[in-house]
Amino acid sequence: QKEVEQNSGPLSVPEGAIASLNCTYSDRVSQSFFWYRQYSGKSPELIMSIYSNGDKEDGRFTAQLNKASQYVSLLIRDSQPSDSATYLCAVNIPPGTYKYIFGTGTRLKVLA
Amino acid sequence: KAGVTQTPRYLIKTRGQQVTLSCSPISGHRSVSWYQQTPGQGLQFLFEYFSETQRNKGNFPGRFSGRQFSNSRSEMNVSTLELGDSALYLCASSLTGGLAGVSTEQFFGPGTRLTVL
Repeated sequence: QKEVEQNSGPLSVPEGAIASLNCTYSDRVSQSFFWYRQYSGKSPELIMSIYSNGDKEDGRFTAQLNKASQYVSLLIRDSQPSDSATYLCAVNIPPGTYKYIFGTGTRLKVLA
Repeated sequence: KAGVTQTPRYLIKTRGQQVTLSCSPISGHRSVSWYQQTPGQGLQFLFEYFSETQRNKGNFPGRFSGRQFSNSRSEMNVSTLELGDSALYLCASSLTGGLAGVSTEQFFGPGTRLTVL
């Protein structure tokens, strides 16, 4: 089992819809979770961090964390073509170290 | 506030050569991490430095090394380059990199694209 798993996609959604991106992780005691967006040919850009169970909202983005299920998700409301990118989930594994493990990313396509 | 900077942005080397990449973190950030990104493997953790000390290391051969200076700037070195070392090398900085089990946010530089011929 990979330490951080994401569906590679592509996930295609129409403009204006909600895009839902999912990530599972292996270490039950992980405490720090991050979502990054990466455009083709560019470096990852931090979108959200989440540390506690529940939802965290920032503009059109909502991160959801369920530690019991070892699951973190990112919702993008009112998706725009400019949201088309690869979304990377990162988890601090093992917790207490200074090592971040990234999933392979989900490619999102927002269709105009 | 200026972001993370990396130099050079592009490098072309031949097998057997060595290369040094440089990273300047965001002002005030003391933790610097390095990653290798390839289409097949994704983002792979290389190592992390804080206050000139390597605190964690990924599963890479000893040809990959790094260091951090007192001003938090960091360099990574790859010796005896192989074709498989062709990748985007990314540096990320954070305030502390994590204390008491909680990791702080990391911010990436633009990367150095290394091509080994």
